[in-house]
Amino acid sequence: ETGVTQTPRHLVMGMTNKKSLKCEQHLGHNAMYWYKQSAKKPLELMFVYSLEERVENNSVPSRFSPECPNSSHLFLHLHTLQPEDSALYLCASSLGGLAPDTQYFGPGTRLTVL
Amino acid sequence: EDQVTQSPEALRLQEGESSSLNCSYTVSGLRGLFWYRQDPGKGPEFLFTLYSAGEEKEKERLKATLTKKESFLHITAPKPEDSATYLCAVQAPETGGFKTIFGAGTRLFVKA
Repeated sequence: ETGVTQTPRHLVMGMTNKKSLKCEQHLGHNAMYWYKQSAKKPLELMFVYSLEERVENNSVPSRFSPECPNSSHLFLHLHTLQPEDSALYLCASSLGGLAPDTQYFGPGTRLTVL
Repeated sequence: EDQVTQSPEALRLQEGESSSLNCSYTVSGLRGLFWYRQDPGKGPEFLFTLYSAGEEKEKERLKATLTKKESFLHITAPKPEDSATYLCAVQAPETGGFKTIFGAGTRLFVKA
């Protein structure tokens, strides 16, 4: 596969469930990102990893827990979510570094919390 | 406060009717401005990166331009397959690295 892949593409979960989102990039990039996209709102950056180290965490609730085991894989572990967490969750990757840094996105996981 | 504002929120065009989308920004020390296209239920697809005022880039019916305060995405003779949401993002330095700020997007509808 090429580019950035995400699984699952769709997820429905109850508020007491625990689930994980997976992202894999095949671009040889060093940085990976999780974004939340809600209707008619700008993309909200949740987490950034650079060379497997978390470099940003924008006040995201602890019910979202990221994991980056290597530079190609990124996970988002979910537990005890709220209905307002329903959204499209996007993973992106980039080269990283000092130059303007283009991010390449995966197709997203559509999450519905009941 | 750094921010990115896109206008209009939605734009309806007839096939062949050229128009422009606007992205205005207020950031300190712009490193780059990015345009993406997003189809419903999919991730954003990269279109262009612009680095400095006066720069222009083209791809098929799309042309992106950049000034010190805003960027335009010009769509010439659009087709129905150009219907999508177009996102603008800017990158600027911050302590320890840089930040990327996205606008809310412009939803474009092109009718045959």
